[in-house]
Amino acid sequence: EVQLVESGGGLVQPGGSLRLSCAASGFTFSSYSMHWVRQSPGKGLEFVSGIRSNGDRTYYANSVKGRFTISRDNSNNTLYLQMGSLRAEDMGLYYCARDTGYTSSWYDYWGQGTLVTVSS
Amino acid sequence: DIQMTQSPSSLSASVGDRVTITCRASQSIASSLNWYQQKPGQAPKVLIYAASNLQSGVPSRFSGSGSGTDFTLTISSLQPEDFATYYCQQSYNSPRTFGQGTKVEI
Repeated sequence: EVQLVESGGGLVQPGGSLRLSCAASGFTFSSYSMHWVRQSPGKGLEFVSGIRSNGDRTYYANSVKGRFTISRDNSNNTLYLQMGSLRAEDMGLYYCARDTGYTSSWYDYWGQGTLVTVSS
Repeated sequence: DIQMTQSPSSLSASVGDRVTITCRASQSIASSLNWYQQKPGQAPKVLIYAASNLQSGVPSRFSGSGSGTDFTLTISSLQPEDFATYYCQQSYNSPRTFGQGTKVEI
């Protein structure tokens, strides 16, 4: 059974940093691109960042470029999101999602999310 | 970035109704359009991928159509468990933008 379990969320002050993790199991992690998607309270879904299966290419939303860094450890089946210079608008539930990797790909599995709160 | 615009933002419907949600892209995205359903407190779940393909396990009352810039999600006969928020998403290029969502209410 495919499982994605996020962790690392919490309360952080504006300007602070946080590292999110997503532990994957039930599939060959190193074969899939992985993405982070967030959802602000009461709002819609927003792509944050993505990384290809071998980590050779990364993608970021304009809103987080230069502040967030996505990475992965294929030997430990874990996806990361290093978040820096955090702002109030970065608050929300952060999901990791598995990307099918096809030409017109989609997210076929999602975690349950980890909550990030940015407040002084 | 490609902008995705859904309409309506919300709708009220009854069990058994036929429901149609539209999604428009700011440029052509071929058939690179996915539909997700999200219920309160749950992660999103894919319903339709590549514009018209039904994800395994999803009831056949859901269908998708369209290509280029205009797409449609149709629920042929609304069931109680279908009351949720629906999002379209383009996977033509990065960033993978989502529509703002359509909330389907009783």
